[in-house]
Amino acid sequence: DTAVSQTPKYLVTQMGNDKSIKCEQNLGHDTMYWYKQDSKKFLKIMFSYNNKELIINETVPNRFSPKSPDKAHLNLHINSLELGDSAVYFCASSPGSNQPQHFGDGTRLSIL
Amino acid sequence: GEDVEQSLFLSVREGDSSVINCTYTDSSSTYLYWYKQEPGAGLQLLTYIFSNMDMKQDQRLTVLLNKKDKHLSLRIADTQTGDSAIYFCAENFGNEKLTFGTGTRLTIIP
Repeated sequence: DTAVSQTPKYLVTQMGNDKSIKCEQNLGHDTMYWYKQDSKKFLKIMFSYNNKELIINETVPNRFSPKSPDKAHLNLHINSLELGDSAVYFCASSPGSNQPQHFGDGTRLSIL
Repeated sequence: GEDVEQSLFLSVREGDSSVINCTYTDSSSTYLYWYKQEPGAGLQLLTYIFSNMDMKQDQRLTVLLNKKDKHLSLRIADTQTGDSAIYFCAENFGNEKLTFGTGTRLTIIP
């Protein structure tokens, strides 16, 4: 029944590795997002996709590559992980742009 | 620019009302939101208000919007221990992304 689901919930890995986080929404929404929450709880947009097309890329390093195979999925692949990538990553979706966004439970990424 | 500010901490006695405040710099938002984040959990959309409204009430929650002063508030009546969380206001400033405030950590005193 989960509306926006992310996997995995926890991800612990070493610096330099490549990892992916998956997100799926069953709300029928057209727009999906990735946000990053740092250790001070500050939340910032990373990417936004509308119907599989990239709308927002908020000056994120190109080690981060989002992929949207269909409008219900938005995955995030991260290459060459760095210590500063440790954060909670949230996926969200909305019916369209400028409409209320619903968030997943987050993926807690820790880099050793 | 697009800036959203909140005070970082608020302590309230159980049973009292909590008022969490937020100020913003840009008036072009379509919607203004309040999200709740409990420890170790995700972001829960609590309530939102359309920018042409002044007030919205939803059970124990009351949202007030003062467009002239660019001020948004969330009042929680009869605050319970389960209301302990971080509360974020967020605006979309007329575009697709949400800009979040720093979050207000609400602590309930028994």
